[in-house]
Amino acid sequence: DQQVKQNSPSLSVQEGRISILNCDYTNSMFDYFLWYKKYPAEGPTFLISISSIKDKNEDGRFTVFLNKSAKHLSLHIVPSQPGDSAVYFCAASPVTGNQFYFGTGTSLTVIP
Amino acid sequence: NAGVTQTPKFRVLKTGQSMTLLCAQDMNHEYMYWYRQDPGMGLRLIHYSVGEGTTAKGEVPDGYNVSRLKKQNFLLGLESAAPSQTSVYFCASSYDGTSGSWVETQYFGPGTRLLVL
Repeated sequence: DQQVKQNSPSLSVQEGRISILNCDYTNSMFDYFLWYKKYPAEGPTFLISISSIKDKNEDGRFTVFLNKSAKHLSLHIVPSQPGDSAVYFCAASPVTGNQFYFGTGTSLTVIP
Repeated sequence: NAGVTQTPKFRVLKTGQSMTLLCAQDMNHEYMYWYRQDPGMGLRLIHYSVGEGTTAKGEVPDGYNVSRLKKQNFLLGLESAAPSQTSVYFCASSYDGTSGSWVETQYFGPGTRLLVL
């Protein structure tokens, strides 16, 4: 059973606008969340993370929001750029675990 | 500093053949991981290692074996390949796997595309 879900397989956004990618999880023991970006024929690369003690973390154009009560996190990209076009995976890790659980990914296309 | 490298990049196997995928990292990371990525399934953890000489099962370990004889290398073996093992395999490494005060990220290799006929 998928413990981390990304219900939107794809998203298209105009350049300069905001991209919002969503992720839901079911395991209340998850306490660390990450977003990865993946280009074709490459491995995923780390983008941004958030600990469960926070509800927001910013890094330049990227902001991750965490709503623990709803078991929901989102990644905001503002402004979106064509180079942001990639597949984005969210991942979660439990408090005492050594495992990361990944979502199925959302393919973002930023239209120039 | 090459990061995480994977060998080979692409391989075609016949059902029943065996092969070993090699992952190497030069970042002195303790933890190493093998994932597979399938369409609509995201990345799923096959096996992982928390240090030299140790291995553990992940979500989908059946049909695979691993070894971590040296800290920098993590091998994934398929003893008798099946078409269901057609996938893209990613290796990753991290400083350690415990959630805590440090930024916990995994560094991924470029992937190995495996086709089992």
